[in-house]
Amino acid sequence: RKEVEQDPGPFNVPEGATVAFNCTYSNSASQSFFWYRQDCRKEPKLLMSVYSSGNEDGRFTAQLNRASQYISLLIRDSKLSDSATYLCVVNIFSGGSNYKLTFGKGTLLTVNP
Amino acid sequence: DGGITQSPKYLFRKEGQNVTLSCEQNLNHDAMYWYRQDPGQGLRLIYYSQIVNDFQKGDIAEGYSVSREKKESFPLTVTSAQKNPTAFYLCASSIARASGANVLTFGAGSRLTVL
Repeated sequence: RKEVEQDPGPFNVPEGATVAFNCTYSNSASQSFFWYRQDCRKEPKLLMSVYSSGNEDGRFTAQLNRASQYISLLIRDSKLSDSATYLCVVNIFSGGSNYKLTFGKGTLLTVNP
Repeated sequence: DGGITQSPKYLFRKEGQNVTLSCEQNLNHDAMYWYRQDPGQGLRLIYYSQIVNDFQKGDIAEGYSVSREKKESFPLTVTSAQKNPTAFYLCASSIARASGANVLTFGAGSRLTVL
């Protein structure tokens, strides 16, 4: 099982749709979780951290399920500007005082007019 | 404004040549990282450094070298030993938290093409 695995996509949705991405991780010692957004040929940028109780930022909602080892990202009322690749990132404890950030391959979202 | 600057943005290299990618940050971050991204792939860690004069290999360090002589700078050399160097290279930095909850700030990337 891969350390971090995302929905392969791509997702094509109309404007205004609700879309959800899932991400699973294999290491139960994982400590922290993030969603990053990457536009075509650009660098990734932090979209939101994912907290144990779940968190919301405007149209974006992130959830964490430690028992099942997955995180999700929900986008409501999607906009054309939401078109991007969404990267799931998991910070895994790797012994001593070392942590390793592991990235999923990303899920491409295209929002159509 | 604080940020990370990578240069050059685009670079072409002949096979057998070494090339050095620059990464400078003025965020006062302790930790710096180099990632490689290939089309349709996730980011893979090449090297990282949590403190000046110290760095560790990531998952794909073979054919690469780094130095961390200053807090602000973490250059990456792609050597001729790297078999498939054409890729998008991303430098990042973060505050080094003991909890591991490290949020990364990325530079704009350097796109290397080997001819």
